[in-house]
Amino acid sequence: SQTIHQWPATLVQPVGSPLSLECTVEGTSNPNLYWYRQAAGRGLQLLFYSVGIGQISSEVPQNLSASRPQDRQFILSSKKLLLSDSGFYLCAWSVPREGKLFFGSGTQLSVL
Amino acid sequence: GESVGLHLPTLSVQEGDNSIINCAYSNSASDYFIWYKQESGKGPQFIIDIRSNMDKRQGQRVTVLLNKTVKHLSLQIAATQPGDSAVYFCAEKTYSGGSNYKLTFGKGTLLTVNP
Repeated sequence: SQTIHQWPATLVQPVGSPLSLECTVEGTSNPNLYWYRQAAGRGLQLLFYSVGIGQISSEVPQNLSASRPQDRQFILSSKKLLLSDSGFYLCAWSVPREGKLFFGSGTQLSVL
Repeated sequence: GESVGLHLPTLSVQEGDNSIINCAYSNSASDYFIWYKQESGKGPQFIIDIRSNMDKRQGQRVTVLLNKTVKHLSLQIAATQPGDSAVYFCAEKTYSGGSNYKLTFGKGTLLTVNP
């Protein structure tokens, strides 16, 4: 069966520090991968999606970047965090051409 | 632009009652819709989905209704239980050129079940 792992679960970082969140998927090949952000009490905002290794599409201009160095690995990064980067970050995967997303457990990021 | 929205941000029901959560969408070309449940501090969990060639689909204690005429989607939960308390999101599959697509999520409805 397929599983998605996302870590860390909680992260507190100072303003201006770098960020690296990692997500891996097991049990499937060539998945579509996604990074979403959720502000407290709000909906899900799509940040990045990837249909293959090295292929990244950005949905909104921001202080973050994403990379997909391996088929089932998706990384969310920042060189210098801003206060506004705080939020709940969710990684998700889907079978290509299918709409159903499967989400990880999320990372609660607090930038102080 | 195209968007998915919810009529009610909060819904409070008594345990054992039926719950109905509504969602409006504006993209008439959307052909697939999903409902997710998100408990506090966790990732969204898939509940049920429906394709645009259907009007109704039933799962275990849940039913999704799709009215394409008025672009309306609803989630019905029968005999609501305290464990159903969560935020519920609707999502539509929207195409961004060729075979590229994404899921666009609504704002979410907080369902509170009172014992």
